[in-house]
Formats: sequence, structure tokens, C-alpha cells
Amino acid sequence: ETGVTQTPRHLVMGMTNKKSLKCEQHLGHNAMYWYKQSAKKPLELMFVYNFKEQTENNSVPSRFSPECPNSSHLFLHLHTLQPEDSALYLCASSQDPSGGTYEQYFGPGTRLTVT
Amino acid sequence: GENVEQHPSTLSVQEGDSAVIKCTYSDSASNYFPWYKQELGKGPQLIIDIRSNVGEKKDQRIAVTLNKTAKHFSLHITETQPEDSAVYFCAASTSGGGADGLTFGKGTHLIIQP
Repeated sequence: ETGVTQTPRHLVMGMTNKKSLKCEQHLGHNAMYWYKQSAKKPLELMFVYNFKEQTENNSVPSRFSPECPNSSHLFLHLHTLQPEDSALYLCASSQDPSGGTYEQYFGPGTRLTVT
Repeated sequence: GENVEQHPSTLSVQEGDSAVIKCTYSDSASNYFPWYKQELGKGPQLIIDIRSNVGEKKDQRIAVTLNKTAKHFSLHITETQPEDSAVYFCAASTSGGGADGLTFGKGTHLIIQP
């Protein structure tokens, strides 16, 4: 198992609910990422944080709101989602992109179902 | 932006045989090419990667080759075993996989037949 944990592992929510996904990395990394994995589609990068600063927002709808209070924790706040947002949401971390270390380590994901 | 194509989508091989998965990328500035293995119920795990200044890299039964001119790279698994059954993803990045994240292929479901 990797040093990246995600909670909850499964989440079912209605379209009017507000929920949050949590990611924690225990690897001493400085960069964290959110990806969306849908069936029959490639993993899609959503957000990138480097040293707690957001460096990438890949045209993600505002109903997804990330938060990175420190280099070890990353949240994804969800509100008024659509059924097509149902997917596996993966968190990843890497040591220091600017330093030339590139390997990204993924957590197990949160399986989200929007009803 | 970068576009990564991966083939085949499903690959079935006999245990002990070799498996090859191929990917092409569109952005000639890409410089980092990792391969991930994803088992059911788990997140992707990095199994091998290659940088643009290297043409080939090997780690036990796994090898990756890169052809920058043709913009394609391949994963080779020799002496396949049942535990190799999983979904494999290739990816590419123009920033070393860091600041801009990774662009992934759609994945290959590798099935090892006993």
C-alpha cells in the first residue's frame, strides 16, 4: 500500500448534498493532485497544488472546490453535483516537481456515486 | 495540449508469454513517461518510468522503450505471471510529471491466461 490515504473510500450523495473528500500523504512530498477516473476514459487531471499553492485548475466546474491547508493534506469539497460526476476520485502526491523528482504516488481513491 | 493514445484496450496472453503495450503522444516537448499498474479496488501504482534522454530501461521482467522521433513508447512484460493481470496505463508529461500533472492513456486490460 502507498503512503497516500483517502477517506471515505465510498460515498453516495444526492445532487443537493455537500460533502468533502480527504487525502493525506505520509511521504514528505510537496505536491498533491486530484484526478478523476471515469469508466472507459483516461484519468483526468483536475487540480495541482505545489507547496500549498494551486498551480493547475484543469477547467474543472466550480461545484468542485479544492483546499490544501498544508503539504500533507488535500481536500475536495463537493456541492450540487450531477450524476455524470460519479467516478473514482484519486489523490496523488510527488516529492518536488521543481527539483526534478517526478514520480507520483496515488491513493486508493474514493468511489463517488451521485444519485 | 498533450494527447496520449494507448493500444490495445484489452490484451490476453498465455502465462509465461510476453506482453507488449504501446502508446503514442502528441507533444514533442514531453520528457517523462511513466507506466502505472492498477489492480481492482486500488489506485494506480508506478511500475517503471523513462525520461526523454534515455531510449530503454529495464527492471527485472519489465522494460520500457522510447522512440522520441516517432513519439511512441512501449511497455514489455516478459515471462508473464497471473499476478500481472491488471489494467496498465501509460502517461506523458512536459514538465517531468510535476507542475502540470500527467496526461494518461485510456488503459490496457491485461489478462494472463493460465
